Amino acid sequence: IVMTQSPATLSVSPGERATLSCRASESVNSNLAWYQHKPGQAPRLLIYSASTRATGIPARFSGSGSGTEFTLTISSLQSEDFALYYCQHYNNWPRGFGQGTKVEIK
Amino acid sequence: EVQLVESGGGLVQPGGSLRLSCAASGFSFSNYEMNWVRQAPGKGLEWISYISISVNTKYYADSVKGRFTISRDNAKNSLYLQMNSLRAEDTAIYFCARDRDYYDPSADRGVFDYWGQGTLVTVSS
Repeated sequence: IVMTQSPATLSVSPGERATLSCRASESVNSNLAWYQHKPGQAPRLLIYSASTRATGIPARFSGSGSGTEFTLTISSLQSEDFALYYCQHYNNWPRGFGQGTKVEIK
Repeated sequence: EVQLVESGGGLVQPGGSLRLSCAASGFSFSNYEMNWVRQAPGKGLEWISYISISVNTKYYADSVKGRFTISRDNAKNSLYLQMNSLRAEDTAIYFCARDRDYYDPSADRGVFDYWGQGTLVTVSS
């Protein structure tokens, strides 16, 4: 299964909404997770089961979708949210990640 | 506090070998399935291997199958990755990542809730 994220780079002003997309080449049902990654740090789980926030993740992060189309929305970007974001399916083996979306300051 | 600390990375020549370790603390390591994920320079994340709690089940990405071996020592709270026949394209930061609690019926296998900060492997002559 190939995971494709868009856009590759998203330029957003602090306080604005960011919408990231992830598409699977075939259905992954709701077996989809989102991660945030900053250089030099450990990746951080944000969302699993397509729409369930992980422990401690702020409510401004939300996920939606099922099957082949998924969205991660950050409702009001904070300074600490500028990072790389990856989607990952876990519907079968091998696990697959998208190529990432970089959210940068506009 | 859950901690995963990778070690063992370094510079190795093509065709060489390296063994990575991941020391786990702050949780019952023996209950959790584990994975290795890597990130090549300028590239995204790539899942490369999984191991069950009892080591009976292991999976590998095609890119490393037959060259890499995942293992664990539950008594030492440690995960390992033996990498043989290394190639330039194996150059990457290697992360260990915690998977589900095998004994939690509500947990999804394949969700990586904690990661280490990674160890850099460079394959070059």
